[in-house]
Amino acid sequence: QKEVEQNSGPLSVPEGAIASLNCTYSDRVSQSFFWYRQYSGKSPELIMSIYSNGDKEDGRFTAQLNKASQYVSLLIRDSQPSDSATYLCAVMRTGGGNKLTFGTGTQLKVEL
Amino acid sequence: DVKVTQSSRYLVKRTGEKVFLECVQDMDHENMFWYRQDPGLGLRLIYFSYDVKMKEKGDIPEGYSVSREKKERFSLILESASTNQTSMYLCASRSVGEAYNEQFFGPGTRLTVL
Repeated sequence: QKEVEQNSGPLSVPEGAIASLNCTYSDRVSQSFFWYRQYSGKSPELIMSIYSNGDKEDGRFTAQLNKASQYVSLLIRDSQPSDSATYLCAVMRTGGGNKLTFGTGTQLKVEL
Repeated sequence: DVKVTQSSRYLVKRTGEKVFLECVQDMDHENMFWYRQDPGLGLRLIYFSYDVKMKEKGDIPEGYSVSREKKERFSLILESASTNQTSMYLCASRSVGEAYNEQFFGPGTRLTVL
């Protein structure tokens, strides 16, 4: 079992729709969770972080965390073509030496 | 703005060559990391450093070494490059203290070993 699992996609959504990206993790002692966006040929950039159960909203982005189910998700409202990218889920374990473990990413395509 | 810079965007080397990849950050971050990214395998941690002259192996350290003589600079060394080390290499840095501190990435170096 991979430590951090994501569906590779591609996930295709029409412009203006809600995109829902999911991530599961295997280590129960994980404490911090991050969503990175990576455009083709570019390096990852952080868009959301979450460490408490529940929802965290930032503009069109909402991160959701359920530690009991070991599940973290990212919702993108009013999806735009510029949101088309690969979204990487990353997890930091307690006592993990500040190391992030990344999923392989989900490719999102927002279609006109 | 945090700046993480890498010495080259593209690099072509021959099998057996010694390769140096340099990374510099300007935000006085304690932690620095080297990853490689390959299609279908995602980002894999090669080595990381939590302070000057300190280093720890990541998940795939074989064939690599690192050097951190100054806080702002973290170098990745391929002692004898092989074709299976053709990849995108990403450096990152992060401040300690808070678990949710952002990890910043450099632009990446695409290395091709012929």
